[in-house]
Amino acid sequence: QSVLTQPPSASGTPGQRVTISCSGSSSNIGSNYIYWFQQLPGTAPKLVIYRNDQRPSGVPDRFSGSKSGTSASLAISGLRSDDEADYYCAGWDDSLTQVVFGGGTKLTVL
Amino acid sequence: EVQLLESGGGLVQPGGSLRLSCAASGFTFSTYAMTWVRQAPGKGLEWVSAITGNGDRTYYVDSVKGRFTISRDNSKNTLFLQMNSLRADDTAIYYCARGETITARLPGAHWGQGTLVTVSS
Repeated sequence: QSVLTQPPSASGTPGQRVTISCSGSSSNIGSNYIYWFQQLPGTAPKLVIYRNDQRPSGVPDRFSGSKSGTSASLAISGLRSDDEADYYCAGWDDSLTQVVFGGGTKLTVL
Repeated sequence: EVQLLESGGGLVQPGGSLRLSCAASGFTFSTYAMTWVRQAPGKGLEWVSAITGNGDRTYYVDSVKGRFTISRDNSKNTLFLQMNSLRADDTAIYYCARGETITARLPGAHWGQGTLVTVSS
């Protein structure tokens, strides 16, 4: 049972906009930055959003992040087949004094 | 170009020890925190540990406290994870990742390719 809760799966068709949620509490999302990672099969994770809504260089602006209260979201617009991957949210938890990851969301592009 | 190269993984019996290394290049190693993240077969990501750039502060997930030790040698641009009293549930790919600041606790944009640790008799 992960401290950060993500839906196990999400899907969309090419060109569509999809949103992946990450729910937590006041000790993690509510008081710290959220990061989002994309992991393609058999590869190392890739940072797509940091500090809630910042994109690293090289990440297309189709990817966006937001946070409100104890929830965060990753939105992907103009969905492409190569966006099909597992997505994880992560953040620091003040109560646990450790980094916590969400359980991951498997995104399928139909 | 930032590069991180893990080594030291392998097969070890329960109760045994392993020392992972992560050789860094392409950046000023001492000015960035470093982290270890693992992924058990078919499972999600789990943060394991982090260390500040100058090594003065370390952080661990509860399940490895007292068994794992993170350290770094800034003169050799190398990160380490000493793993003792290994258990079957420590079986995973272990990734090293660079933090975004000298005190970061989360992994950032730069990750190694991972090294597989298998704990089995």
